[in-house]
Amino acid sequence: DIQMTQSPASLSASLGETVSIECLASEGISNDLAWYQQKSGKSPQLLIYAASRLQDGVPSRFSGSGSGTRYSLKISGMQPEDEADYFCQQSYKYPYTFGAGTKLELK
Amino acid sequence: EVQLVESGGGLVKPGSSLKLSCVASGFTFSSYGMHWIRQAPKKGLEWIALIYYDSSNKYYADSVKGRFTISRDNSKNTLYLEMNSLRSEDTAMYYCAKGYYDGYYHSFDYWGQGVMVTVSS
Repeated sequence: DIQMTQSPASLSASLGETVSIECLASEGISNDLAWYQQKSGKSPQLLIYAASRLQDGVPSRFSGSGSGTRYSLKISGMQPEDEADYFCQQSYKYPYTFGAGTKLELK
Repeated sequence: EVQLVESGGGLVKPGSSLKLSCVASGFTFSSYGMHWIRQAPKKGLEWIALIYYDSSNKYYADSVKGRFTISRDNSKNTLYLEMNSLRSEDTAMYYCAKGYYDGYYHSFDYWGQGVMVTVSS
């Protein structure tokens, strides 16, 4: 199985701060990577797919980048509504696998 | 508006069975692969099963292979997950999710609200 190592496990950011979350795959996944946001008590929502494509309706302060085994999610200007858990996920090979998640809090 | 509504969860004893349903609306259900994904309490997400749009292919996580069966009824816009030989480690919120595939890349673009399954004696 492809292991997805996500870091950091948690971080705290001030309003307007830029934050980055990293995901390292145990083998190359050819950009078949998605990022999801899960707010407390809610279902996950798709933010980014194909490593860098923004899902319709997602604010442009969210962006994704990377290639091969290394990928990242960037939030350019932390907002209160961005406080949530974030997960990366690969769909390159079965079984599809998720990172362990990053808990993002507003400082 | 896309909606996915799960049902069928509950409290069951180890070794028992349960069948989850997910009713879809707002999109052409018969054109999309569908997934089940679960999340144990205070834990991360685990993909557990995929069924192609026409039921021609099914894939499972090793943790549920041989015990769980994914199926669908396109005439009823409904996805199912039949769970047998349930274990305490199957305790989780179960989500159905619509698959999105643009010809190269996959993702889960819509999720249901989830249904809780608790396995305990």
